[in-house]
Amino acid sequence: QLVLTQSPSASASLGASVKLTCTLSSGHSHYAIAWHQQQPEKGPRYLMKLNSDGSHSKGDGIPDRFSGSSSGTERYLTISSLQSEDEADYYCQTWGTGIHVFGGGTKLTVL
Amino acid sequence: QVQLVQSGAEVKRPGASVKVSCKASGYTFTNYYMHWVRQAPGQGLEWMGIINPSGGNTSYAQKFQGRVTMTRDTSTSTVYMELSSLRSDDTAVYYCAREPILAGSLDYWGQGTLVTVSS
Repeated sequence: QLVLTQSPSASASLGASVKLTCTLSSGHSHYAIAWHQQQPEKGPRYLMKLNSDGSHSKGDGIPDRFSGSSSGTERYLTISSLQSEDEADYYCQTWGTGIHVFGGGTKLTVL
Repeated sequence: QVQLVQSGAEVKRPGASVKVSCKASGYTFTNYYMHWVRQAPGQGLEWMGIINPSGGNTSYAQKFQGRVTMTRDTSTSTVYMELSSLRSDDTAVYYCAREPILAGSLDYWGQGTLVTVSS
């Protein structure tokens, strides 16, 4: 069964970096995912598509501060030089035959 | 620029149906799939299904099979999502989101439509 697991919360200081993790279920280590950001009271915004080899393609206007990487069943989103507007919920998304799945989301607090 | 503009908020009684629209602009409508995703208050994102605007074929999440219908009107570049037999736990913000064909990822989202189900 295709499942994505995310930690419910994370925090980091203004100007620092943070690495969020999305874990694919066993047997799905070759799957690509997408990362989405949802700021408070707003709709989701596409950040990037992240492949199993760590290559990624970002959405329009996404700053260089956002990057992705992969290792086994884990997919990472790294945000550097944290800004206050990065405080948001971050969701990973993946897909299989006839199905799309979202992780539960990670709430990022910028201290 | 790509825009997905959704219809306005709705309030429905339990047992009723709701139909939400999503009008696309700024790109070739039939070259991208469209998905519907919902978010209950304080909860995460939940995938509902997909429509191919080119042929109109659809695929729905098992949870919504039999209650959801997705259609499109190519003359107005609009997709629709109709959910029937509404219950209170269908109260949510409903989003449309675009997928480049075979990409998997959803690269643009609508602004969302709040559907409230209440007696």
